[in-house]
Amino acid sequence: DAGVIQSPRHEVTEMGQEVTLRCKPISGHNSLFWYRQTMMRGLELLIYFNNNVPIDDSGMPEDRFSAKMPNASFSTLKIQPSEPRDSAVYFCASSRADRGGEKLFFGSGTQLSVL
Amino acid sequence: AQSVTQPDIHITVSEGASLELRCNYSYGATPYLFWYVQSPGQGLQLLLKYFSGDTLVQGIKGFEAEFKRSQSSFNLRKPSVHWSDAAEYFCAVGAGTGRRALTFGSGTRLQVQP
Repeated sequence: DAGVIQSPRHEVTEMGQEVTLRCKPISGHNSLFWYRQTMMRGLELLIYFNNNVPIDDSGMPEDRFSAKMPNASFSTLKIQPSEPRDSAVYFCASSRADRGGEKLFFGSGTQLSVL
Repeated sequence: AQSVTQPDIHITVSEGASLELRCNYSYGATPYLFWYVQSPGQGLQLLLKYFSGDTLVQGIKGFEAEFKRSQSSFNLRKPSVHWSDAAEYFCAVGAGTGRRALTFGSGTRLQVQP
């Protein structure tokens, strides 16, 4: 299995531009998570989907952030317009419910720099 | 709401020495607990997990952790550290429906001296 695939690996953009981060979960996994990692705030759960349906988006910082999962094999996290404080590493993770708990498989992350 | 505290930001140990990384959690019900490791520039990899049953759980790479309900702790241990264990370690608690939403601690960076 190829694991969770994220693209791009690095993204540098200017303030005000739209940014789209992409994630392909592991085949057969029915849950998908977007996390953001910064030095100041650590790992924060932004949103997660179960069977392509958003379950909890309470971690999404503001309306500039949106996430979609049009099918079981693809998800996007969009920031529009982007701001310098959005600079972080964004991780996507997927899982298959395991006796009621979750074993997450993480992608390698997208390093986002907003100038 | 659930929370996880990792009191040690940075730990340095000598290769071959034993290791214990501390983790305390706050959660109203029986928690699902996890330890993840992150190498530089990489995503997180699961080391071990506790759902129920035996409170001493074994993980990959020779790690183990013990769940102590009375202390709300889930400390990670390894009897003999290898240089390749240098990384950042995150404790996490699973909460909510199906314990799907993981809350992570702030992490402990482990440095291994030769």
